[in-house]
Amino acid sequence: GAVVSQHPSRVICKSGTSVKIECRSLDFQATTMFWYRQFPKKSLMLMATSNEGSKATYEQGVEKDKFLINHASLTLSTLTVTSAHPEDSSFYICSALSGGAGDTQYFGPGTRLTVL
Amino acid sequence: GESVGLHLPTLSVQEGDNSIINCAYSNSASDYFIWYKQESGKGPQFIIDIRSNMDKRQGQRVTVLLNKTVKHLSLQIAATQPGDSAVYFCAENIPGNQFYFGTGTSLTVIP
Repeated sequence: GAVVSQHPSRVICKSGTSVKIECRSLDFQATTMFWYRQFPKKSLMLMATSNEGSKATYEQGVEKDKFLINHASLTLSTLTVTSAHPEDSSFYICSALSGGAGDTQYFGPGTRLTVL
Repeated sequence: GESVGLHLPTLSVQEGDNSIINCAYSNSASDYFIWYKQESGKGPQFIIDIRSNMDKRQGQRVTVLLNKTVKHLSLQIAATQPGDSAVYFCAENIPGNQFYFGTGTSLTVIP
C-alpha cells in the first residue's frame, strides 16, 4: 500500500517550453501532497505544499508563476514548469501524506527534467 | 526552517557488519520521525518511523532509536548488505507542519 507514482520519469525539453509532471497516489487519498526539488548529492528542497481544492503554498524563493501546481483531486497533483530554462533542470519529487494524525509521507519515484 | 543534521556525510561498512547512521534534530516540538532510503535516480523510500512517545522501534534488519533528551535519532542496519548502499535521510515532523529533512548520509557497503 501507499504507492505514489510520477509521470513522466524523465523528460528532455527545449528552453522556453512548458513541462507538466503528474503525481498520483495510487491506493490512498491524499489531501496534501508536496513537491520537492533535489540537486545532485543534495537533500530534498521543499518547493510547495499542495492541498486538494485550494491554492498551493509556496516556499520562500519559489516562483509560483513559474512552478504552477494544481491539486484537482484527492489522488492527483500536477506541477507545471513554465517557460523552462536550463537552470530548471533538476530531479523533481512529489510526496503524499497518507492521512490521519501524524501522517506518513510517501514519495514518488521522481522525474528527471533536462532543459536544453 | 528547522535544522535536521546528520553527523557523517559518508559511511563505509563491510558487508555483514552493522551500520549506524546518526541524525540530530533541533526542535523539541517534533513528535514524528522517519528514515528514508534513496538510491541513485530514485525517489526516497520509507524505511521506518518512530513517534516521540517511543525510544526504540524495530523493523526487518533495521532499528531506530530516539533520544529526546539530546534530540538524537539513529538508524541501525543489521548485517549490512550491498543492496543497502544508498543515501539515508532522516526527517522530523512538527504537528501540523511540514517535514524537515537532513542533508543525508551516503552509505557504501564494501563486499
